Amino acid sequence: GAVVSQHPSRVICKSGTSVKIECRSLDFQATTMFWYRQFPKQSLMLMATSNEGSKATYEQGVEKDKFLINHASLTLSTLTVTSAHPEDSSFYICSARGIRDSYYEQYFGPGTRLTVT
Amino acid sequence: EDQVTQSPEALRLQEGESSSLNCSYTVSGLRGLFWYRQDPGKGPEFLFTLYSAGEEKEKERLKATLTKKESFLHITAPKPEDSATYLCAVNGNAGNMLTFGGGTRLMVKP
Repeated sequence: GAVVSQHPSRVICKSGTSVKIECRSLDFQATTMFWYRQFPKQSLMLMATSNEGSKATYEQGVEKDKFLINHASLTLSTLTVTSAHPEDSSFYICSARGIRDSYYEQYFGPGTRLTVT
Repeated sequence: EDQVTQSPEALRLQEGESSSLNCSYTVSGLRGLFWYRQDPGKGPEFLFTLYSAGEEKEKERLKATLTKKESFLHITAPKPEDSATYLCAVNGNAGNMLTFGGGTRLMVKP
């Protein structure tokens, strides 16, 4: 139980284009989903927190207009990287906090490797 | 502001050589301390949640313990497949977010 999926697992796009990443909780309902970014050999950096049906809360320094987050249902959140540039290349990971399990446990997706050329 | 420090940054063990990873934390009211395992190119895999000092949890060769200031992840008789980065995180009263430590990269040689 408590499985989170991400799609796609890898994506290569050209500079200036937009990319959408999906995060789904497969066997539980997620009231809250989180988006992280991870650089090589570094720990996870929280980008934003999203609650179903409401606007995402972004961490300081994260551009809201560049990283659009939508949490349309209790099982799906999407991250859209708009007008991507090479510096946006990174490993993006989502996590979901379930309402059926212990309230404070977060389960992570497998990650999406974004490369902007 | 919640803070988490993990040590050592890297640990090399021989197969069967038991050891412990440390996670020191400061938090404004602990809601939970979490241990995750992360393999290269993958998302973190949930291992344990600890909620209060004195609590212990075990899973196969791993055992996590918690005090008011730190948590230990004990690895008994590790195998090469235990090689990974182990992440510690806390959730304090400030909000729903997790604060992560820098991780400990464990390498177990046969």
